[in-house]
Amino acid sequence: NAGVTQTPKFQVLKTGQSMTLQCAQDMNHEYMSWYRQDPGMGLRLIHYSVGAGITDQGEVPNGYNVSRSTTEDFPLRLLSAAPSQTSVYFCASSGTGIFNEKLFFGSGTQLSVL
Amino acid sequence: AQSVAQPEDQVNVAEGNPLTVKCTYSVSGNPYLFWYVQYPNRGLQFLLKYITGDNLVKGSYGFEAEFNKSQTSFHLKKPSALVSDSALYFCAVRRDDSNYQLIWGAGTKLIIKP
Repeated sequence: NAGVTQTPKFQVLKTGQSMTLQCAQDMNHEYMSWYRQDPGMGLRLIHYSVGAGITDQGEVPNGYNVSRSTTEDFPLRLLSAAPSQTSVYFCASSGTGIFNEKLFFGSGTQLSVL
Repeated sequence: AQSVAQPEDQVNVAEGNPLTVKCTYSVSGNPYLFWYVQYPNRGLQFLLKYITGDNLVKGSYGFEAEFNKSQTSFHLKKPSALVSDSALYFCAVRRDDSNYQLIWGAGTKLIIKP
């Protein structure tokens, strides 16, 4: 049971570099999302998707892009990394319909931007 | 504005004693309420949720939560704490007319002392 798989676990970038955080789930979930977690601030939604080909912005989308070409994969792209993007990033997926709504989280990516 | 408050940054409880982690919310419309737990260096795990019906909801690992509409609260409880319950706990709320987007509390660190 893989669940939600995120890679890499750790990453250090220099300001201005770009990178992609990978996320894959094997539960056939329609809903996928990316969060960032900063101390004392809880989780903040970056982008989300309710199915292949459909994405939308969350609370803090600036500086990030997403795409959803398949049900399984939902990569997050940092276009030009900034120190303010230093954070822990989590991918999460869920079944649809409120009675199935329960987020499954990946193990996280700790990103440092120097 | 919609919000979730976890008024305690940290809660300390002796093993075997009952525990309560507090959560209050402010949303328009009917709320869907969730509790998640994060163990060190791990992603979040679902504990329980309230959608409708019985105000007392039972979840994983012996936890339960009570929905109180008049006080707009959804406190997490456990009758007898275990050292292994030590973790970071997050409350989250979704409006019934929103598209999967959750509003998260800042988290409460629960420390259970032997």
